[in-house]
Formats: sequence, C-alpha cells, structure tokens
Amino acid sequence: AQSVTQPDIHITVSEGASLELRCNYSYGATPYLFWYVQSPGQGLQLLLKYFSGDTLVQGIKGFEAEFKRSQSSFNLRKPSVHWSDAAEYFCAVGALNQAGTALIFGKGTTLSVSS
Amino acid sequence: DGGITQSPKYLFRKEGQNVTLSCEQNLNHDAMYWYRQDPGQGLRLIYYSQIVNDFQKGDIAEGYSVSREKKESFPLTVTSAQKNPTAFYLCASSITSSRSEQYFGPGTRLTVT
Repeated sequence: AQSVTQPDIHITVSEGASLELRCNYSYGATPYLFWYVQSPGQGLQLLLKYFSGDTLVQGIKGFEAEFKRSQSSFNLRKPSVHWSDAAEYFCAVGALNQAGTALIFGKGTTLSVSS
Repeated sequence: DGGITQSPKYLFRKEGQNVTLSCEQNLNHDAMYWYRQDPGQGLRLIYYSQIVNDFQKGDIAEGYSVSREKKESFPLTVTSAQKNPTAFYLCASSITSSRSEQYFGPGTRLTVT
C-alpha cells in the first residue's frame, strides 16, 4: 500500500539558517510527489511538485525539493529560513487507485522559527 | 478571482444533528475532494468525485455523505452516525483526477457538542 512518512513531527530552526524537512514514500510505481504548506486555521498551499524529469524541483517562496528514487525520498529544503516560514508542512504522494487518483498525505512537520 | 470557497469558516452543532458543509469552486475543475484533518493525523480522504453525478468513498467515509449535482459544487453532510465529527474539514479540487495537483479551500472547523 502507498504511504508517506514524515519522520520529524516538530522542527525548530533559527531565522537565517538552512532547513531540510524529510519525506519518505512507499509506492510501487513512479510516484508523483508534492509539498504543501499550511498556516494555522488555513487551507493548504502547494509549494512544489514532482512528476518526472529533473529530480531537483524549484517551488515558491524559495523552496526546493530533491527526488531520490534509490532512497524513496523527497526532502524539502530552503537555504535561509524566514520567520514567516513557520507553519505546518505536508508531503503527499499521488496514488492511482481503481477509479482515479487520490493524494496520500504524511502526518506533517511543524516548523518553528526562532529569532 | 478563481478559487475554492468553503462556508462557513466555523460551525457549531449539537450532537445528533446532521450538518452540511459547503464547497464551491470556479476553477472549472472536474475532480473534487473532501478531507478531514485532526491534530497529528495529517489529512484523511473522506470522499472524492471525478465527474458530475459520480463519487467514490475514501478511507473514512462512514458517517458522511456527499452529492455532486453541479460541476462547481460538492457539499459534504456530516450525519449523526459519525462518531467523532469535531474536526477541520478541507475541500480540494483538481483539473482531473489523474496526475494533477490539488487546490485547497480555506477549510471549515466543525465543533459538535
């Protein structure tokens, strides 16, 4: 069965420091992968997506992610974190099922930014 | 502006009452989805619809019902059979259901007492 694991429930990073959020997936075929961000009490905003091609994908707000098939990972990175990046981050994998496609989400990583 | 609207933002109901959450999109998307979010649980799929007049159960459909009479609308009814209805509910849509990203509404927080 398809699944997504985000090993870190909560991460605290100093403002200006680099960030890496981990995501591991389990999927039998070539996956398509997403990172979303959610501010408290809000909906989810798409940061970036990977369907095929270049394994390093660029997203909005200065985020990037690298798809590593050998490690079944799709980690999210940002070189310098800003206080406004504090939010919850979700990794998701697209899964083909009988009737169509649904996204399977990880349980999320909460990012806190310290000054 | 194109987007997804959910109303109301906050909803309070007494136990034993059915309640319907609204979801409307003007993105001309074919597929629509309902997710439930609980703290520390991520998002879990309740129902999804690929086209008008068709929908499928997700992982946690028990105690919920939906309809898809119009392309732009996908209301969710939380019935009295749902044992733990208090949660944050998110609606999403995508161009098609195949290999396309989903766009989310702002969510409805339902509290049942």
